[in-house]
Amino acid sequence: EDQVTQSPEALRLQEGESSSLNCSYTVSGLRGLFWYRQDPGKGPEFLFTLYSAGEEKEKERLKATLTKKESFLHITAPKPEDSATYLCAARSAGGTSYGKLTFGQGTILTVHP
Amino acid sequence: NAGVTQTPKFRVLKTGQSMTLLCAQDMNHEYMYWYRQDPGMGLRLIHYSVGEGTTAKGEVPDGYNVSRLKKQNFLLGLESAAPSQTSVYFCASSYKDRGISNYGYTFGSGTRLTVV
Repeated sequence: EDQVTQSPEALRLQEGESSSLNCSYTVSGLRGLFWYRQDPGKGPEFLFTLYSAGEEKEKERLKATLTKKESFLHITAPKPEDSATYLCAARSAGGTSYGKLTFGQGTILTVHP
Repeated sequence: NAGVTQTPKFRVLKTGQSMTLLCAQDMNHEYMYWYRQDPGMGLRLIHYSVGEGTTAKGEVPDGYNVSRLKKQNFLLGLESAAPSQTSVYFCASSYKDRGISNYGYTFGSGTRLTVV
């Protein structure tokens, strides 16, 4: 059974205090590791897709990396506007043509000024 | 450029009532999905569709039905609502899988459903 586990469940940072969020995955035939940002009362917003171990992608203060078992979302010098829930999802090859997405439970990030 | 639009945004139902959640996308995506999001459970797939006229069950399909009569619309129906169906429902859409490509699902803003 495909599984995605995120840690920590919640993270409080001071503005400018860099940190990392973890996403551990167990899927049959990874076909993409996705990161989403979700603001309260809104739907998830796509951030990154990673496909192979060693791959890295960056967007502003965020950098996502991928190993064979984990993905990390590094946040450098965060600002209060980075406060949100960050969701990780793994897409497996599965037995269907669409490729199943399994989501983690998310990390609630709060950045204090 | 609306993306994925869900209606209604909020709804309160009594146990046993029925309703339909509407999802519309304007990005010409082939695939569409319905998820529910509950505290501590993450996003769970209810039903999905890989094209007009086709639907399939996800991981939590019981108590729900879906239809996709047009490519841009995906409807989620609750025939007899139960309190366990109180949740936030998200519709999403994506391009057809063409192998490795940098794409992600586009989500709507959600429907908050309370069943009393």
